[in-house]
Amino acid sequence: KQEVTQIPAALSVPEGENLVLNCSFTDSAIYNLQWFRQDPGKGLTSLLLIQSSQREQTSGRLNASLDKSSGRSTLYIAASQPGDSATYLCAVNTGGFKTIFGAGTRLFVKA
Amino acid sequence: DTGVSQNPRHKITKRGQNVTFRCDPISEHNRLYWYRQTLGQGPEFLTYFQNEAQLEKSRLLSDRFSAERPKGSFSTLEIQRTEQGDSAMYLCASSWDRGRNTEAFFGQGTRLTVV
Repeated sequence: KQEVTQIPAALSVPEGENLVLNCSFTDSAIYNLQWFRQDPGKGLTSLLLIQSSQREQTSGRLNASLDKSSGRSTLYIAASQPGDSATYLCAVNTGGFKTIFGAGTRLFVKA
Repeated sequence: DTGVSQNPRHKITKRGQNVTFRCDPISEHNRLYWYRQTLGQGPEFLTYFQNEAQLEKSRLLSDRFSAERPKGSFSTLEIQRTEQGDSAMYLCASSWDRGRNTEAFFGQGTRLTVV
């Protein structure tokens, strides 16, 4: 059974700091991995999608890496801003239609 | 088309009442998913449609829950005889069938509170 774990559960950093969010999964047989952002009481916004054959994806200040063999992904946020404060969710696609989510990392960036 | 749309955004209901939520996916997407999210947790898969066919249902979807996608476009999720444990955010997502390259796009969710 695929399980997704995100560490840390919560993180508070000063503005401008670079930070790394971690995601691990137990079964390396994934099709892709997706990082989402969720603001309080809102839906999910897709940030980055990494295919199983890829090692990383970049979008602006965000960089996500994938190491399928070790069951790990990281989301790197450069030069964090207060507007980055949100919950970040990692999700793995295991069969084309079922996505398994982690519990998320709650990020707070202090001005 | 501006994305996945869910209605209502919020619903407060008394225990024992029936509720129905609607999801309008991105128009060209043939896959539609329902998830449930409780406070402090990630979303949990409930069910999946490919066009109008419901192809997968989670064991979380008890017999009080029913989902439909009658014409392969919008979908409804109905909860009968609601219980306080049904209080959660119900999220809908859609995607285009590209095999492994399946990026899901989520709606803003419907927050259900059962009192």
